[in-house]
Amino acid sequence: GAGVSQSPSNKVTEKGKDVELRCDPISGHTALYWYRQSLGQGLEFLIYFQGNSAPDKSGLPSDRFSAERTGGSVSTLTIQRTQQEDSAVYLCASSSSRLAGGNEQFFGPGTRLTVL
Amino acid sequence: AQSVAQPEDQVNVAEGNPLTVKCTYSVSGNPYLFWYVQYPNRGLQFLLKYITGDNLVKGSYGFEAEFNKSQTSFHLKKPSALVSDSALYFCAVRGGSYIPTFGRGTSLIVHP
Repeated sequence: GAGVSQSPSNKVTEKGKDVELRCDPISGHTALYWYRQSLGQGLEFLIYFQGNSAPDKSGLPSDRFSAERTGGSVSTLTIQRTQQEDSAVYLCASSSSRLAGGNEQFFGPGTRLTVL
Repeated sequence: AQSVAQPEDQVNVAEGNPLTVKCTYSVSGNPYLFWYVQYPNRGLQFLLKYITGDNLVKGSYGFEAEFNKSQTSFHLKKPSALVSDSALYFCAVRGGSYIPTFGRGTSLIVHP
């Protein structure tokens, strides 16, 4: 079956521009996560959506970052006025809620963002 | 608060030899523990998890991990390494939160 997909796979932008990154989770998965992975670093949590509940935005590094999830499915991560330090791979993951906290996450291939 | 430590940035092993990638954790209550693998330019792939029950968990590609509550560890193991196992490995823990905490990752290099 289809896994998690992300688009674009690569994005090069100029400093100060806005970018939108898209994530299509696995159908039926109610939980959706965004992470950032910088070169040589681990995963930095950004935001978490669960069903129709208010998202957990505790990981967003600044107010330039925002995300939404429409209809409990597709999610868009928006970065406004991009800075060079935003350059990283942005990963999306989804999971089922059948086992509460015991569900594994399914990751997309990521979007590599380069800010010049 | 929950945390994960992967004390080794890199593990080197010869093909055919056993491998161990270490992970220790800190969490309130019962932990849910996960291992993921990341191949170059790819997203993370789930390997195995511990929720409850048997302390020895078997997963994909011949990997296994042992949950040790007294040592708060969940080390990843494989009896015989393959060159194709070379990748970045992440340990993750969930306690009471639905948001897992990931370790910094361990680069496994298997030499022919």
